[in-house]
Amino acid sequence: IAGITQAPTSQILAAGRRMTLRCTQDMRHNAMYWYRQDLGLGLRLIHYSNTAGTTGKGEVPDGYSVSRANTDDFPLTLASAVPSQTSVYFCASSEGSNQPQHFGDGTRLSIL
Amino acid sequence: GQNIDQPTEMTATEGAIVQINCTYQTSGFNGLFWYQQHAGEAPTFLSYNVLDGLEEKGRFSSFLSRSTGYSYLLLKELQMKDSASYLCAVRDGDYKLSFGAGTTVTVRA
Repeated sequence: IAGITQAPTSQILAAGRRMTLRCTQDMRHNAMYWYRQDLGLGLRLIHYSNTAGTTGKGEVPDGYSVSRANTDDFPLTLASAVPSQTSVYFCASSEGSNQPQHFGDGTRLSIL
Repeated sequence: GQNIDQPTEMTATEGAIVQINCTYQTSGFNGLFWYQQHAGEAPTFLSYNVLDGLEEKGRFSSFLSRSTGYSYLLLKELQMKDSASYLCAVRDGDYKLSFGAGTTVTVRA
């Protein structure tokens, strides 16, 4: 079934540890995005990529990095996790800027 | 920054109509999306408005007024499965969406 796959589904992590959230799509979409969703704040864009080889910063990029080596994969890395990064992380993709974004099922991350 | 406002919660009866308002003040405007998100699940696309007016799609309709920075999502013939959060999102630049905090709709029998 075509779509977006995120891994892991959930993770508990000690503060200070490095963590990479994986995101893979098989729809050959050009654009991909990472959001975090916190209660009362809605979805906030962390980083995005318009096409393979390019990335850009969103609204809340600090503490996160991304790479886009190919069309299908868009991993998000927390270099040194802090408790304020506890959140639900969603990866999304879209064919173009005026097309709907399709979301993965999310990764629930808890930093202790 | 971007400012997108929508009510936090709404409650309605099965079979009724509910209107979810969204007002926005953003640096540029290139379209407005509505998404549905059931608890613990991913958001799913409902509608997209880029021009003023009403877009109808089955039981769901979405309206946009660019001059007033206003949109609404209309849910008709409410069903229990419509209980969810509804997210208003404005495309304020290429490829970037800014989301409101979401409106939780509870449908009661």
